[in-house]
Amino acid sequence: AQSVSQHNHHVILSEAASLELGCNYSYGGTVNLFWYVQYPGQHLQLLLKYFSGDPLVKGIKGFEAEFIKSKFSFNLRKPSVQWSDTAEYFCAGGNNDMRFGAGTRLTVKP
Amino acid sequence: EAGVTQFPSHSVIEKGQTVTLRCDPISGHDNLYWYRRVMGKEIKFLLHFVKESKQDESGMPNNRFLAERTGGTYSTLKVQPAELEDSGVYFCASSPRTGNEKLFFGSGTQLSVL
Repeated sequence: AQSVSQHNHHVILSEAASLELGCNYSYGGTVNLFWYVQYPGQHLQLLLKYFSGDPLVKGIKGFEAEFIKSKFSFNLRKPSVQWSDTAEYFCAGGNNDMRFGAGTRLTVKP
Repeated sequence: EAGVTQFPSHSVIEKGQTVTLRCDPISGHDNLYWYRRVMGKEIKFLLHFVKESKQDESGMPNNRFLAERTGGTYSTLKVQPAELEDSGVYFCASSPRTGNEKLFFGSGTQLSVL
């Protein structure tokens, strides 16, 4: 069965620190991977996605993620976080039906 | 363009009662998904409609849950009778095509079963 797992439940960083959130997937076939974000009081929205091609994908707000097939990973990164990045981040993937990880709550201290 | 809308935003009911959640997807989106998030845990897939047909309902917890999408437009998710463990946030999402399309999410319905 296809599944996605996230390693970190809650991450606390100071502004300007670098961020890396882990995500691993376990399913075969076509690999479609996504990172979604939910800012406080807002809807889930797409940060970035990978379907094929360049394994390093860039998303909105300076986020990027790297697909590493050999590690079944799709980690999210940002070189320098801001207070406004405080949110919950979800990794997701699937062939036809999207499966989500448990989410990682990021708190950025000003 | 209107986004995905869900109603109600909050529902508090007693164990044994019935609740019906509604989702209006973005107009023209054939795919409609229901997800549930129990506090602190993953966003769990419940089911997927393509137009009015259930493409995949493998995530539905049990037969107390019934989802419909008559006419391929809005969808309802009924829980009858509700149990304590049904509490959580129920998200609806839609997309124009199946597979590698991003999902557009509603704001969710917070269901509390007391």
